[in-house]
Amino acid sequence: GENVEQHPSTLSVQEGDSAVIKCTYSDSASNYFPWYKQELGKRPQLIIDIRSNVGEKKDQRIAVTLNKTAKHFSLHITETQPEDSAVYFCAASINSNTGKLIFGQGTTLQVKP
Amino acid sequence: DVKVTQSSRYLVKRTGEKVFLECVQDMDHENMFWYRQDPGLGLRLIYFSYDVKMKEKGDIPEGYSVSREKKERFSLILESASTNQTSMYLCASSFGGDEQFFGPGTRLTVL
Repeated sequence: GENVEQHPSTLSVQEGDSAVIKCTYSDSASNYFPWYKQELGKRPQLIIDIRSNVGEKKDQRIAVTLNKTAKHFSLHITETQPEDSAVYFCAASINSNTGKLIFGQGTTLQVKP
Repeated sequence: DVKVTQSSRYLVKRTGEKVFLECVQDMDHENMFWYRQDPGLGLRLIYFSYDVKMKEKGDIPEGYSVSREKKERFSLILESASTNQTSMYLCASSFGGDEQFFGPGTRLTVL
């Protein structure tokens, strides 16, 4: 079945530095790639997503890139701030009707002030 | 504002008990999902439903069942709770292949 691998599992950066989280997926039919942020004790929330017809998408300090040939996609956070500290999940979907997502294992990002 | 609610934030049950977790969404979403979240394992899909009375197994359905009698409500049932089902359970809903909206989660402890 479809699988999503996410790395690293933990990431610690200094405030102001950049952070990059990478995911690979197994099913080449995957066409939707969202990223969720889960703050401590809270529910996951969508922060950015990309569909397979584009290679990059940016929203202020966060960006996502997609390489369909290599079957990987990445989350980039620039100028990190302490409030970026959270668990980040990538996901992939092949079924736009059911909306079924396969999630990565999660990355715990710590931004040190 | 999309609202997904879950019946309990914390639940403590004994081994062998039948457990019901309920999820309600108010956005008329066709799709609803149940996940369990465990450290280092991410969000694993237990069951999902794409229409009333329709359900499909996810990646870890063993020991669980679901019910969707009304569009806004999706229930997760543990027929006979076991200690390895101690976990955080998250419900979500979506419209088609769009963003999934999550509930606040239920932390279930099985003693």
